[in-house]
Amino acid sequence: AQKVTQAQTEISVVEKEDVTLDCVYETRDTTYYLFWYKQPPSGELVFLIRRNSFDEQNEISGRYSWNFQKSTSSFNFTITASQVVDSAVYFCALSDDGGSNYKLTFGKGTLLTVNP
Amino acid sequence: DTAVSQTPKYLVTQMGNDKSIKCEQNLGHDTMYWYKQDSKKFLKIMFSYNNKELIINETVPNRFSPKSPDKAHLNLHINSLELGDSAVYFCASSQAAQTHYGYTFGSGTRLTVV
Repeated sequence: AQKVTQAQTEISVVEKEDVTLDCVYETRDTTYYLFWYKQPPSGELVFLIRRNSFDEQNEISGRYSWNFQKSTSSFNFTITASQVVDSAVYFCALSDDGGSNYKLTFGKGTLLTVNP
Repeated sequence: DTAVSQTPKYLVTQMGNDKSIKCEQNLGHDTMYWYKQDSKKFLKIMFSYNNKELIINETVPNRFSPKSPDKAHLNLHINSLELGDSAVYFCASSQAAQTHYGYTFGSGTRLTVV
């Protein structure tokens, strides 16, 4: 069965600090997809990134970067020079390759608070 | 605007009542979902429809009944509301049932049962 673990329930940092959010997943499939979503205090769910299991290249988008390591089944998310607007709950999610399982499995989320 | 829209945004109701939440997407997606987010922020799938056909029903009480009149709409009707139904309900859509395309979520409906 699919499982996503976000061990950090809450993280608090001061503005401009770098912060890494951890995500560890479990799946039996060789083809799968990993996602990060952001949920700011306003409540909507915002898509950040999708990564497939065959692409282990790290990705950088502005202050955001993602480190995908199949060897450790991890898909960690780093925010560089954090800002107050980064304060949100961040969810890691996993999907296998269609088959008979048509759902995203979410981790329990990490609440990030960036203090001025 | 292209989006997933759900109404109402807030819903406060008494125990025992019946209520509906509506969801519409104009993205041309084939698949729609309902997720429930509890007070601890945990997101769990409830239902999924692909081209109006139910493909996922995740051990949800039968007081919850989804209805998909067409592939752009997925409504959620809840009978005999209970205190434990209080949560935020998110509608979402994806291009196809293979969820590696990712989801587009609606803005959520906060249901409070008193």
